Amino acid sequence: GIQVEQSPPDLILQEGANSTLRCNFSDSVNNLQWFHQNPWGQLINLFYIPSGTKQNGRLSATTVATERYSLLYISSSQTTDSGVYFCAVGRRGAAGNKLTFGGGTRVLVKP
Amino acid sequence: EPEVTQTPSHQVTQMGQEVILRCVPISNHLYFYWYRQILGQKVEFLVSFYNNEISEKSEIFDDQFSVERPDGSNFTLKIRSTKLEDSAMYFCASSAPSNQPQHFGDGTRLSIL
Repeated sequence: GIQVEQSPPDLILQEGANSTLRCNFSDSVNNLQWFHQNPWGQLINLFYIPSGTKQNGRLSATTVATERYSLLYISSSQTTDSGVYFCAVGRRGAAGNKLTFGGGTRVLVKP
Repeated sequence: EPEVTQTPSHQVTQMGQEVILRCVPISNHLYFYWYRQILGQKVEFLVSFYNNEISEKSEIFDDQFSVERPDGSNFTLKIRSTKLEDSAMYFCASSAPSNQPQHFGDGTRLSIL
């Protein structure tokens, strides 16, 4: 199956700092999603980005499908950005499109 | 915006008992999924369901587990004879047939005592 590696595993930021999270995957995909898991365990969908670049407020993401990686940028971080960020990838087929998740990046933003 | 709804939010059960976790996917979606997340670990795929049958399942999804879409709206995960290691957060997700993202519910936290 597809392997998904995220880096770094842990990240401590001072409020206001910028950061980049990386997701590497081992095979071609046609689905890539970034999630933020909040302290209550909810998975918040941030981006659906199998290729290209998207921006949503202080967050943006870029996927270079040919090189099998995706980046999530957090700018001007806030304490509410704390949590675990997951990258998940899938290969769409007749059976559906199961997602394979990476191990996550745990982010702590300090005031 | 339409949401995936899961009930209950938290379930506490004695080991050996059966549990049913419930999900209401987004109404026009055709693909349905269950995922599991053991505390502190990554999210793992359990099963996908399409056209009223299982389309793919992981090695975790053994005979202890079953899924059903009993009517036009609900999608359930049944776990028979629960074990301590079944304690986890269980997420339901759904997607439309074309190149659309999966939408996740808020999860059911299952605690086996």
